[in-house]
Amino acid sequence: KQEVTQIPAALSVPEGENLVLNCSFTDSAIYNLQWFRQDPGKGLTSLLLIQSSQREQTSGRLNASLDKSSGRSTLYIAASQPGDSATYLCAVGRRQFYFGTGTSLTVIP
Amino acid sequence: GAVVSQHPSRVICKSGTSVKIECRSLDFQATTMFWYRQFPKQSLMLMATSNEGSKATYEQGVEKDKFLINHASLTLSTLTVTSAHPEDSSFYICSAGQGVAYEQYFGPGTRLTVT
Repeated sequence: KQEVTQIPAALSVPEGENLVLNCSFTDSAIYNLQWFRQDPGKGLTSLLLIQSSQREQTSGRLNASLDKSSGRSTLYIAASQPGDSATYLCAVGRRQFYFGTGTSLTVIP
Repeated sequence: GAVVSQHPSRVICKSGTSVKIECRSLDFQATTMFWYRQFPKQSLMLMATSNEGSKATYEQGVEKDKFLINHASLTLSTLTVTSAHPEDSSFYICSAGQGVAYEQYFGPGTRLTVT
């Protein structure tokens, strides 16, 4: 069964800093990897989707990479802002998704 | 992007009663929808795969007689929590995908509290 791990579990950085969130998965037979953010008590907001044939995707200050062979993905956030504070989840799958444990990010003003 | 809605957004019910949660794909047809559950401070766990016109497929450890799933049309799947107990209190989220890329669109979630 697919297992997804995210490191670190929690991260606190000063505003303006660049940061990297890590995601690893055990089964490389995936179609997609998707990064989400979740605010407390809320649903999921999709950030980036990387198809299995792609190596990275970018949206604004966010850049996600995928290395299927090693079972790893990273989410890079440039010039972090307090509004980026949330829990970030990565999910991998073919159709149904398996979620990581999440990284709780706090950006300090 | 595609939109998935859920209803209700919050529900409080008494122990022993049943609760129905609806998941709708508003602007696309979804032959398959997925139901997830999230306990406090934990990640989302896949509960079951809802297939239009056929029986749902449940993940190991999920009781199919307790969590009834019906996928009656290409835009609607329902999850009924039968004889709910306080330990069923959780955040339930559905998702649906479209296209070859199978990007998943998630509903806003339903917060269930069983008293």
